[in-house]
Amino acid sequence: AQSVTQLDSQVPVFEEAPVELRCNYSSSVSVYLFWYVQYPNQGLQLLLKYLSGSTLVKGINGFEAEFNKSQTSFHLRKPSVHISDTAEYFCAVSDRGNYGGSQGNLIFGKGTKLSVKP
Amino acid sequence: ETGVTQTPRHLVMGMTNKKSLKCEQHLGHNAMYWYKQSAKKPLELMFVYNFKEQTENNSVPSRFSPECPNSSHLFLHLHTLQPEDSALYLCASSQDLVGETQYFGPGTRLLVL
Repeated sequence: AQSVTQLDSQVPVFEEAPVELRCNYSSSVSVYLFWYVQYPNQGLQLLLKYLSGSTLVKGINGFEAEFNKSQTSFHLRKPSVHISDTAEYFCAVSDRGNYGGSQGNLIFGKGTKLSVKP
Repeated sequence: ETGVTQTPRHLVMGMTNKKSLKCEQHLGHNAMYWYKQSAKKPLELMFVYNFKEQTENNSVPSRFSPECPNSSHLFLHLHTLQPEDSALYLCASSQDLVGETQYFGPGTRLLVL
């Protein structure tokens, strides 16, 4: 089974400052990794995902994340945030669906609320 | 209409009521999901349907009853709920199961009195 830990429940930051949202996972098998964003009163939207290949993944809205297998981390970064980035961010992990009938269900972290102040 | 839609957006019900949540996806996807989102807890997967067949029931109480009449529609029938069932219920869809991007609807905010 997999699990996800998002180390910060809230991250306040000033506009145009850089930000890093931390995510660590636990799994006994190889995984896929995802970051989703939820704006107020909306559903979740995919920011980026890592399936294979380059460990540096670029997503929408200027976000990027780096898969670090040795540290079991998938931290999300943005060099300069905007007010419109205020939202809740969720890290998620799934297995690769080839273990004992698994279908690769997503396991989510508790989320990190990013608050961008002017 | 595009994407994933959910109705109603808000629902208040008593513990003895019966109600249904509806989800529709306009993306041509094969898989659909119900999630429960409660404050200060991770999203909880409830049910998964793939090609209209239920492939996952994540130990959900029987007072929640899903129905998937076709690949575009998903329902969640509710009866004799408890106050702790109050939450945001999210529907999602994806082309296939493993490694695929899930597209979420805006959710139904449920309050059980």
